[in-house]
Amino acid sequence: DTGVSQNPRHKITKRGQNVTFRCDPISEHNRLYWYRQTLGQGPEFLTYFQNEAQLEKSRLLSDRFSAERPKGSFSTLEIQRTEQGDSAMYLCASSLGPAKLFGPGTRLTVT
Amino acid sequence: QKEVEQDPGPLSVPEGAIVSLNCTYSNSAFQYFMWYRQYSRKGPELLMYTYSSGNKEDGRFTAQVDKSSKYISLFIRDSQPSDSATYLCAMKRLTGNQFYFGTGTSLTVIP
Repeated sequence: DTGVSQNPRHKITKRGQNVTFRCDPISEHNRLYWYRQTLGQGPEFLTYFQNEAQLEKSRLLSDRFSAERPKGSFSTLEIQRTEQGDSAMYLCASSLGPAKLFGPGTRLTVT
Repeated sequence: QKEVEQDPGPLSVPEGAIVSLNCTYSNSAFQYFMWYRQYSRKGPELLMYTYSSGNKEDGRFTAQVDKSSKYISLFIRDSQPSDSATYLCAMKRLTGNQFYFGTGTSLTVIP
């Protein structure tokens, strides 16, 4: 395992459906982050885990969004009742220190 | 006013040129400064990471931080077509885990 992996890479869903994304961080990294990126913008912070504890959540993370990191390993990000405005690239990153390493992202398209 | 400002470009240069990419910021609490490269439809890739002021060089890339001016730069020497990508600056306070990203500068190196 040489990097952060994310699945699926691309998800197309209809408005109102639920979707779940998975992130597998670099194995020795105890910190895991979720970001969202829309076209022409930099990534925006969503949430942060240290081990299994969710320590920080952005105001962008509405109550339709939930993230988990059971046992401090992989993480899932679920979006319930998707809206067209949720269409974006969802990026996962992990770190030991200040510098974060990002995964390839999951591109969500809500039709 | 956004905390991190970055000219989105696009920037187009001939192969072999020296490229200068810049970001300005407003929060004097930022202590960590990162540059990421992002190819189309991929996750950001960490290029350079510096703490506080000064210069850091890695191959063809040099990162500069001027905290007195709240200004950071990335220089690319002998630019190559493979350098064509979007370059994102990111910053972080000493404490906390959130990164603040610029919007990215789109660079094209013409063979």
